[in-house]
Amino acid sequence: EIVMTQSPATLSVSPGERATLSCRASQSVSTNLAWYQQKPGQAPRLLIYGASTRATGVPARFSDSGSGTEFTLTISSLQSEDCAVYYCQQYTNWPWTFGQGTKVEIK
Amino acid sequence: VQLVQSGAEVKKPGESLQISCKTSGYSFATYWIGWVRQMPGKGLEWMGIIYPDDSDTKYSPSFQGQVTISADKSISTAYLQWRSLEASDTAMYYCARHQGEWGQGTLVTVSS
Repeated sequence: EIVMTQSPATLSVSPGERATLSCRASQSVSTNLAWYQQKPGQAPRLLIYGASTRATGVPARFSDSGSGTEFTLTISSLQSEDCAVYYCQQYTNWPWTFGQGTKVEIK
Repeated sequence: VQLVQSGAEVKKPGESLQISCKTSGYSFATYWIGWVRQMPGKGLEWMGIIYPDDSDTKYSPSFQGQVTISADKSISTAYLQWRSLEASDTAMYYCARHQGEWGQGTLVTVSS
């Protein structure tokens, strides 16, 4: 099973500043990686998958980079509505696995 | 695209349960769809996935033999079933289309 490790556990960012979230895989997942956003009391929402493809309706301030074992999700200018837990997930090998999540909060 | 799950359930240990995920707005048969567990205050875990067109099903080792995933192409609906619930099955369960939308979640509470 591929283990996904996210860092940091919690990220405090001022409004309008850049937020950078990291995700590492225990073995290569190529570009078969997705990012999800989960706000309190809500279902997760797909943000980005594959080779940096944003899901429908996802603002352009969300972007990702990386391949293989190292990935980064960037929120270019943090808005208050971006406060949430963000999960990465690989879908190269079954079982698909999530990271433990990074909580993004407003400083 | 919509995935609409059945409502919250309260069950006793040992009881059986089936929850559903009715989909619309896409070709149900030709996308993997699966179930994700989220225990209270915890992260996300894929339980299993199914390809409705041929019913190919994969289970995570942690859930193999504990649940059954099925799909009915005629009504574009996926199911998650337990034969004998345990208190440790208390969680929120989400259906999710691969690289796509999620259902709103079904809260399952198992308590004597």
